[in-house]
Amino acid sequence: GAGVSQSPRYKVAKRGQDVALRCDPISGHVSLFWYQQALGQGPEFLTYFQNEAQLDKSGLPSDRFFAERPEGSVSTLKIQRTQQEDSAVYLCASSLTSLFGYTFGSGTRLTVV
Amino acid sequence: KQEVTQIPAALSVPEGENLVLNCSFTDSAIYNLQWFRQDPGKGLTSLLLIQSSQREQTSGRLNASLDKSSGRSTLYIAASQPGDSATYLCAAWMNSGYALNFGKGTSLLVTP
Repeated sequence: GAGVSQSPRYKVAKRGQDVALRCDPISGHVSLFWYQQALGQGPEFLTYFQNEAQLDKSGLPSDRFFAERPEGSVSTLKIQRTQQEDSAVYLCASSLTSLFGYTFGSGTRLTVV
Repeated sequence: KQEVTQIPAALSVPEGENLVLNCSFTDSAIYNLQWFRQDPGKGLTSLLLIQSSQREQTSGRLNASLDKSSGRSTLYIAASQPGDSATYLCAAWMNSGYALNFGKGTSLLVTP
């Protein structure tokens, strides 16, 4: 597609509920990143994929967070047993190579109540 | 860990003014530096990308510079317009690792 597409745009979850956030990167982009942005803060790195390989997951805040990209295109970020502190905007970005920088999606705003 | 700082945190200027947004980073071993714009409730829009071998990039009324030795980048906006009102984020991509390291952003308001 022309840009990075994320769905849903907004998600309200009850505490303890599992959620799944989807990212559809730009076609052909090898690299895919997930970031978490709390209100009034800059985005914080969560995890990085090169094709289907998850090369870095050092930013995932707990083992309740899980990301996958099984076929090297679409990626899903799953959060189990959501807690209030998980409320944030989750941004996905893709990149062809570092020479061209990142393209970000519009994000998913998650609110845990 | 690379620390990226943006000053000022917020800025209000009248329409037509030229302005400079500042970004500083602690580790000069950066691969590239990217400036983004974020409108309320929206994702990030890339404005300018500066490779480590470059010193500046220009796009329209925007000019970004990079000085690795001093650990600084600036975003210059000429003849500001109300439509420029947004949060501006700088992010450094290190030579090692994969993550973009973001500052907290500068919230810009351009008043008519």
